Amino acid sequence: EPEVTQTPSHQVTQMGQEVILRCVPISNHLYFYWYRQILGQKVEFLVSFYNNEISEKSEIFDDQFSVERPDGSNFTLKIRSTKLEDSAMYFCASSEEGSSYNEQFFGPGTRLTVL
Amino acid sequence: AQSVAQPEDQVNVAEGNPLTVKCTYSVSGNPYLFWYVQYPNRGLQFLLKYITGDNLVKGSYGFEAEFNKSQTSFHLKKPSALVSDSALYFCAVRDRRDRDDKIIFGKGTRLHILP
Repeated sequence: EPEVTQTPSHQVTQMGQEVILRCVPISNHLYFYWYRQILGQKVEFLVSFYNNEISEKSEIFDDQFSVERPDGSNFTLKIRSTKLEDSAMYFCASSEEGSSYNEQFFGPGTRLTVL
Repeated sequence: AQSVAQPEDQVNVAEGNPLTVKCTYSVSGNPYLFWYVQYPNRGLQFLLKYITGDNLVKGSYGFEAEFNKSQTSFHLKKPSALVSDSALYFCAVRDRRDRDDKIIFGKGTRLHILP
């Protein structure tokens, strides 16, 4: 069964450093998402991406964040200058269509620890 | 604004007994409702969804959920629990009227099935 994959599984970085989190969505999916989950809190939407552009972003997704689909398979989340409060589990997701009733398929997550 | 409430942080059930994980939601319009499960070190796995039609929805691993519009609830159920059902369960909602891509998640309920 096709799966969303994410690398690395765990990333440790110093405050102020840039990090890039990588995701490979399911191959025939066209809509891509990033969510995050701070330890013990809700899963929160960050951004959605379709047709090589952001279609929606939350208030969390400020200028420090960017997303890119550099080739036909990868979908990346970049945090330009990490803050302590960016420490969280980051989940990538993809869906075949963007309709509201289509379920999103999630990757295993990348745990980001900012020191 | 959309929201999801999972009133129980943890639910303990003896193996073989029926289980219920509670979820209530709030949306402006009519909802699309989802349940996801998260096993340790794994991503969120889709279990089932309610779109329209029959209020009782059947999903993976023998789980089902009942949509109750008057109580704005979408409780997850299973007639006979297995130890392997132990995991973190997330209820989620999308508002049909929104063109938003995001799913709104509850905070999760940890299910412990006791052997």
